[in-house]
Amino acid sequence: SQTIHQWPATLVQPVGSPLSLECTVEGTSNPNLYWYRQAAGRGLQLLFYSVGIGQISSEVPQNLSASRPQDRQFILSSKKLLLSDSGFYLCAWSGLRDSYEQYFGPGTRLTVT
Amino acid sequence: SQQGEEDPQALSIQEGENATMNCSYKTSINNLQWYRQNSGRGLVHLILIRSNEREKHSGRLRVTLDTSKKSSSLLITASRAADTASYFCATGRLLWGSQGNLIFGKGTKLSVKP
Repeated sequence: SQTIHQWPATLVQPVGSPLSLECTVEGTSNPNLYWYRQAAGRGLQLLFYSVGIGQISSEVPQNLSASRPQDRQFILSSKKLLLSDSGFYLCAWSGLRDSYEQYFGPGTRLTVT
Repeated sequence: SQQGEEDPQALSIQEGENATMNCSYKTSINNLQWYRQNSGRGLVHLILIRSNEREKHSGRLRVTLDTSKKSSSLLITASRAADTASYFCATGRLLWGSQGNLIFGKGTKLSVKP
């Protein structure tokens, strides 16, 4: 069966510090991968999606970036965090056949102080 | 940009009652999905209904879709305290051919009291 991991689970970082969140998927090949951010009490905002290694599309311009160095690894990064980057970050994957159904990781709670 | 709008924003019911949540959207869709999120956790896919379907069932869940009104409803029958969670609708659109992409609403927060 497929599983999706995210780490860390929680993170407190000062403004201006770098960020690296990691997401890995097991049990599937060539998944579509997604990064979402969820602000408190809000819906999900799609940040990036990827259909393959090195292929990243950005939905919202900001100081975040994403990379996909391996087929089942998706990384969200920032060189300098802003207060507004605080939120709940969710990684998700979907298969090629069922690309409309997405499966989410447990999320990372980021607090920028 | 957000496409789906759930209604109500919050719903509080007693165990055993039915819970109905609605979702409205703006543009044409390929499918509409409902997800559940327990507090501080990731989302769990509940059910997908395609644009050519009108109703779908899964256990205690019943989803309807009215593409002429651009709306959907999620009915949870015989609710349980464990159903307490936020429920999101998400609409699917096409990107890069067969690649799917979802636009989520802000969610309905359901509280089921024992």
